[in-house]
Amino acid sequence: QKEVEQNSGPLSVPEGAIASLNCTYSDRGSQSFFWYRQYSGKSPELIMSIYSNGDKEDGRFTAQLNKASQYVSLLIRDSQPSDSATYLCAVNMVSNDYKLSFGAGTTVTVRA
Amino acid sequence: DAGITQSPRHKVTETGTPVTLRCHQTENHRYMYWYRQDPGHGLRLIHYSYGVKDTDKGEVSDGYSVSRSKTEDFLLTLESATSSQTSVYFCAISESMGGTHNEQFFGPGTRLTVL
Repeated sequence: QKEVEQNSGPLSVPEGAIASLNCTYSDRGSQSFFWYRQYSGKSPELIMSIYSNGDKEDGRFTAQLNKASQYVSLLIRDSQPSDSATYLCAVNMVSNDYKLSFGAGTTVTVRA
Repeated sequence: DAGITQSPRHKVTETGTPVTLRCHQTENHRYMYWYRQDPGHGLRLIHYSYGVKDTDKGEVSDGYSVSRSKTEDFLLTLESATSSQTSVYFCAISESMGGTHNEQFFGPGTRLTVL
């Protein structure tokens, strides 16, 4: 079982729609969860961090965390063409001395 | 980018030559990391540092060494470059690893090609 798994994608959504990205993780003790956005040829950019169960909203982005189900998601509302990128889920693995483990990423394309 | 620079940004070298990549930060963060990113493998940790002269291995450390003589600089050395080390290398920094304030921020990356 991979430590962090994301829905494989690619995900194509029309402009203005909601893009939903999912991530599951294996370490039940993990406490810190992150979403990064990576444009082609660029470095990962942190867009959301979440530490507690529930929802956390920042502008058009909402992160949702359910530790009991070992599941974290990212919603992008009112998707824009500028949201077209690869989104990486990352989890602080308590079982691995708090090293960050990354999912393979989900590529999102927003159609104008 | 959160006050992180990497040099060089691009490098082409030949098999068997030594290569050193530099990461410099102006944030005074304690932790620094080196990752490589390859298609099909995602981001993988090579080495990290938890203070000056304090370093530890990540999951893909074979063939790499690191040094940190100052808080702001973290060097990654490929002792004898091989074609399998062709990759994009990212440096990252964080204030902590556990608890809160453990977000990692990434530098712009170095694209290394080993011929």
